[in-house]
Amino acid sequence: KQEVTQIPAALSVPEGENLVLNCSFTDSAIYNLQWFRQDPGKGLTSLLLIQSSQREQTSGRLNASLDKSSGRSTLYIAASQPGDSATYLCAVFKDSSYKLIFGSGTRLLVRP
Amino acid sequence: NAGVTQTPKFQVLKTGQSMTLQCAQDMNHEYMSWYRQDPGMGLRLIHYSVGAGITDQGEVPNGYNVSRSTTEDFPLRLLSAAPSQTSVYFCASSYGPVNTEAFFGQGTRLTVV
Repeated sequence: KQEVTQIPAALSVPEGENLVLNCSFTDSAIYNLQWFRQDPGKGLTSLLLIQSSQREQTSGRLNASLDKSSGRSTLYIAASQPGDSATYLCAVFKDSSYKLIFGSGTRLLVRP
Repeated sequence: NAGVTQTPKFQVLKTGQSMTLQCAQDMNHEYMSWYRQDPGMGLRLIHYSVGAGITDQGEVPNGYNVSRSTTEDFPLRLLSAAPSQTSVYFCASSYGPVNTEAFFGQGTRLTVV
C-alpha cells in the first residue's frame, strides 16, 4: 500500500531563509508527483507537477525534485516571504488506481 | 475560465437529511474526483469519474453517490447524512487520470448535527 509522509509537520523560519520541505513515498511505481499549497479555509493550489520520468521542476522561487528510486521528493523555497505561509501538501498518482495519495502536509510559517 | 467551482461553500445538515454538493469545471477535463479532508486523516478519495457516464468508487465511498451525465458536472450526493460525514469536501479535475495536473475547487465545509 502506497504511503506518503511529509517531514517536518510544521516549520517556522524568519523571512529570507531558503528552506526545504520533504516528501517520501513507499512505492516507487508512481506516475507523477504534485506539490500543492493550501491556505487556511481554502482549497488546494497546484504548485508543481513532476512526471515520473523527470528529475525536477521549477517555478519562480520554487524548485521540486523527484528521486523515484529512493522514494523522495523535496520542495525548495528560495528567499522565503511571509506570503509563503501556508500548508504544503505533496501527492503521488499511482498507476492504475486513479487517485492522488496525499501526505499529511507541512505547515509553514514565515516570520517577518 | 473559472476552473473548478463548488457550491455551496458552507452547509449545515441534520442527521438523516440528504443533499447534493455541486461541482462544475469549464476546462473540458475528462477526469473528476471527490475528496474529503479530515484532521489527522488527510485527503481521501470518495468517488471518481474518467468521463461522462463512467464513475467508480474510491477509498471511502460509503454513504455517497455520484453520477456524471456531462463532462462539466460531477455532483456528490449524501443519501442520509451522519455526523461522521462532517468534513471539508473538495472536487478536483484533470485532463486525464495520469501525467496531468490536478486542479481543486475551493471546498465545501459540511457540518452534520
